[in-house]
Amino acid sequence: QSVLTQPPSVSEAPRQRVTISCSGSNSNIGNNAVNWYQQLPGKAPKLLIYYDDLLPSGVSDRFSGSKSGTSASLAISGLQSEDEADYYCAAWDDSLNGWVFGGGTKLTVL
Amino acid sequence: QVQLQESGPGLVKPSETLSLTCTVSGGSISSYYWSWIRQPPGKGLEWIGYIYYSGSTNYNPSLKSRVTISVDTSKNQFSLKLSSVTAADTAVYYCARSTYYYDSSGYYGYYFDYWGQGTLVTVSS
Repeated sequence: QSVLTQPPSVSEAPRQRVTISCSGSNSNIGNNAVNWYQQLPGKAPKLLIYYDDLLPSGVSDRFSGSKSGTSASLAISGLQSEDEADYYCAAWDDSLNGWVFGGGTKLTVL
Repeated sequence: QVQLQESGPGLVKPSETLSLTCTVSGGSISSYYWSWIRQPPGKGLEWIGYIYYSGSTNYNPSLKSRVTISVDTSKNQFSLKLSSVTAADTAVYYCARSTYYYDSSGYYGYYFDYWGQGTLVTVSS
C-alpha cells in the first residue's frame, strides 16, 4: 500500500490527452513539491516533472504537471506510442521524514 | 554529464548482508544528497535512505534497523548495506542524486535528477 495513490493503469488513443492523478495528504503533497518520473520498460526512472509543474531540460512540453491541495496530476497531450511507460509521483513526507512514491500508473497507448 | 553506476553481488543468501556501491562520474559527490531506491520485480519504487556528502544520513523507518549508508568522497562513491535479508528484499536497487529548486518566494523542493541504471539483487539460498 503506497502512501501516494495513483490509478494502476490508464489508456488512451494516439494523439489524445490523458491525465494521471496522484493523491496524498497534508504531510506530503499538501506541504511539499511533487515530482513525476517516467519509467520505460526495463529502464531506470527518469525525471519528468519537478517542483509540481516544471519541466527539466530536454523533456517534451507535451508533458505538464499541476497540483491542488493534497492532489497532483500529470497530463500528457498528443499521445505517442513511445509514451507507453510506468509513471510515478513522489513527494517528501514530513510525518515519515522520508520520500514517498505512488504505486505507479501504467500508460497504454491504444 | 553526471553518471551513476551501481555495483555489487547479484545474489545474496537469506540472513546475510546485501552490499552495493554507487560510483559517481562526471561530477563531484560533494554538496548533494545521494539516495538508494529499490523496486521489487513487477512492483513500485521504495526509497531506502539517503546520505549527504558530509556523512549525515536519513533512512526509511520501515528499513532503518537494517540499513547503513556510507560515503567515500575520495572515491566519489557511496554504499548501501542491508542486513538480515529475506526474499522480500529481492529487487532492482537504484542509486540516485537529489538536488533542489528554489523559487522566487524562497520555497524550495528536492527531486531526483540523476539515476543509476539499477542492479538486480536476488535473495536466495
